[in-house]
Amino acid sequence: GAGVSQSPRYKVAKRGQDVALRCDPISGHVSLFWYQQALGQGPEFLTYFQNEAQLDKSGLPSDRFFAERPEGSVSTLKIQRTQQEDSAVYLCASSLEPGLNSPLHFGNGTRLTVT
Amino acid sequence: GENVEQHPSTLSVQEGDSAVIKCTYSDSASNYFPWYKQELGKGPQLIIDIRSNVGEKKDQRIAVTLNKTAKHFSLHITETQPEDSAVYFCAAIPFYGSGNTGKLIFGQGTTLQVKP
Repeated sequence: GAGVSQSPRYKVAKRGQDVALRCDPISGHVSLFWYQQALGQGPEFLTYFQNEAQLDKSGLPSDRFFAERPEGSVSTLKIQRTQQEDSAVYLCASSLEPGLNSPLHFGNGTRLTVT
Repeated sequence: GENVEQHPSTLSVQEGDSAVIKCTYSDSASNYFPWYKQELGKGPQLIIDIRSNVGEKKDQRIAVTLNKTAKHFSLHITETQPEDSAVYFCAAIPFYGSGNTGKLIFGQGTTLQVKP
């Protein structure tokens, strides 16, 4: 079956530009997570949705980062006025049940490069 | 908050040998410990997980052990094969009491190379 799909696969932005990254979770999955993975590091939590509700956004690094999941399915991570330190792979994951009561399924990520 | 330390950062073994990766965590209330395998250009894939009510779990060539007293857990891969070569991450989830939001804290990763 289809896994978690992320688009675009690669994104190059000039510093100061806004970007939008899309995540299509596995159909029917209640939970959706965004993680940021810098080169050579483990993923770091950004935010968590349970259906359309954003229950935890404690990992968003600044108010330039915004995530939404308006209909409880597709999610978008938006970064305004991109900075070089935003360069990373942005991973989306979904799971069937709330929280971590079921395994996380990760997408292949969007590699963002800010020049 | 929770902190997860992972060792070693790189590990090279001969095909057929065993590989062991170790992680320590700081939050004694943590109750879920997954391990992920990440291949180049792909997202992390769950390979095995363990909850705090058991001490060991096995799945074919892969096993995970948990020592809650010492706050460490380990991944054991036996009879390694070249296709086991990848980056492996451990993770832990702190327990928030009335519920949790699924915030995983990852280790720094171990690059495993299995030489044919």
